Amino acid sequence: GEDVEQSLFLSVREGDSSVINCTYTDSSSTYLYWYKQEPGAGLQLLTYIFSNMDMKQDQRLTVLLNKKDKHLSLRIADTQTGDSAIYFCAESTWGSQGNLIFGKGTKLSVKP
Amino acid sequence: EAGVVQSPRYKIIEKKQPVAFWCNPISGHNTLYWYLQNLGQGPELLIRYENEEAVDDSQLPKDRFSAERLKGVDSTLKIQPAELGDSAVYLCASSLGGRGNEQFFGPGTRLTVL
Repeated sequence: GEDVEQSLFLSVREGDSSVINCTYTDSSSTYLYWYKQEPGAGLQLLTYIFSNMDMKQDQRLTVLLNKKDKHLSLRIADTQTGDSAIYFCAESTWGSQGNLIFGKGTKLSVKP
Repeated sequence: EAGVVQSPRYKIIEKKQPVAFWCNPISGHNTLYWYLQNLGQGPELLIRYENEEAVDDSQLPKDRFSAERLKGVDSTLKIQPAELGDSAVYLCASSLGGRGNEQFFGPGTRLTVL
């Protein structure tokens, strides 16, 4: 079956790097996504990576994919207080017909 | 460009009452999704539409939930009758369709059933 796991909480100091980790079980994943949810808001797509890639960088965001270990990470450089939010990992697989399977989310707290 | 619009933003009802949520997707987006998000959880798909056709409703509890997208644009999700366990956020999303296309989410409707 399809399952996406994330640690629930992460706390960092402003200016440090944050690394949010995610593991998934379905080896037929095609795309893997990182979404951000601020309080009372919907989900905002931050970045995504195709399963044949190892890394993707977009400004302060770096996504690393280890397909062998089914491990995905999101690194946020120079973390700011505005980055405080819940971050969801999600996968799209051939079996899910493009539907997204979400993890439970990691709550990132950034302390000044 | 306007994003995905949902209304109402908040709804409080007593159990056994009916409730309906409305979603207007981004113009030109053929694919529309309804998700359920329980507190402390990620969104879970309820139903996916391609234009006016419900192509995946396997997770929709059909005894009390129904949805429609009559003209392939706006959509309505209904619960009748509501139960205490239905308290959650109901999210609507839309996309151009196809694998890898970004899903754009609305702000959601927070339902509280008393």
